[in-house]
Amino acid sequence: TQLLEQSPQFLSIQEGENLTVYCNSSSVFSSLQWYRQEPGEGPVLLVTVVTGGEVKKLKRLTFQFGDARKDSSLHITAAQPGDTGLYLCADFYGQNFVFGPGTRLSVLP
Amino acid sequence: DTAVSQTPKYLVTQMGNDKSIKCEQNLGHDTMYWYKQDSKKFLKIMFSYNNKELIINETVPNRFSPKSPDKAHLNLHINSLELGDSAVYFCASSQGRGPITDTQYFGPGTRLTVL
Repeated sequence: TQLLEQSPQFLSIQEGENLTVYCNSSSVFSSLQWYRQEPGEGPVLLVTVVTGGEVKKLKRLTFQFGDARKDSSLHITAAQPGDTGLYLCADFYGQNFVFGPGTRLSVLP
Repeated sequence: DTAVSQTPKYLVTQMGNDKSIKCEQNLGHDTMYWYKQDSKKFLKIMFSYNNKELIINETVPNRFSPKSPDKAHLNLHINSLELGDSAVYFCASSQGRGPITDTQYFGPGTRLTVL
């Protein structure tokens, strides 16, 4: 069984600060997806990374996939209150998607 | 137009009752899913359904049964509700059944409270 770990569990920062959250797996990812879930809503896909060492950027968000494809990071530059939410990583394992426990981010104005 | 919709948004019921949650997707996707998100926000797959093939997470009690009248709908029926069933249930859909670059689209969730 694949286990995904995310850290930190909670993060509260001021608007304008930078932050990084992490996702680690007990086994090699087949592919790694990052989602953001806002309160009262379902998760929304942000990005999918597939190749070891891959870096993808989405405006102020930078996603990195580890060379060994067992870890990933999400870096947010100059965080804004609109970035508040639960950040989930997920992998396709076996026959279904497996999600990590998430990092709950709160950006204070 | 809403891509994946669920009804109801909130459901409060007594222990022992039977209830259903409906899900519809208008994306033309082939695969639909049900997830359970507990109070700690852990999102766990319950079922995936693709071309009449049902894959069940082995940890899901048989009181839970998905029913798909057609490709655009996957409803969740729950018998003999228990306190531990209280959670938010999400429906999702994707074009295929993963992996790699398949994107899942989630509904807004149904918050089930069992009293």
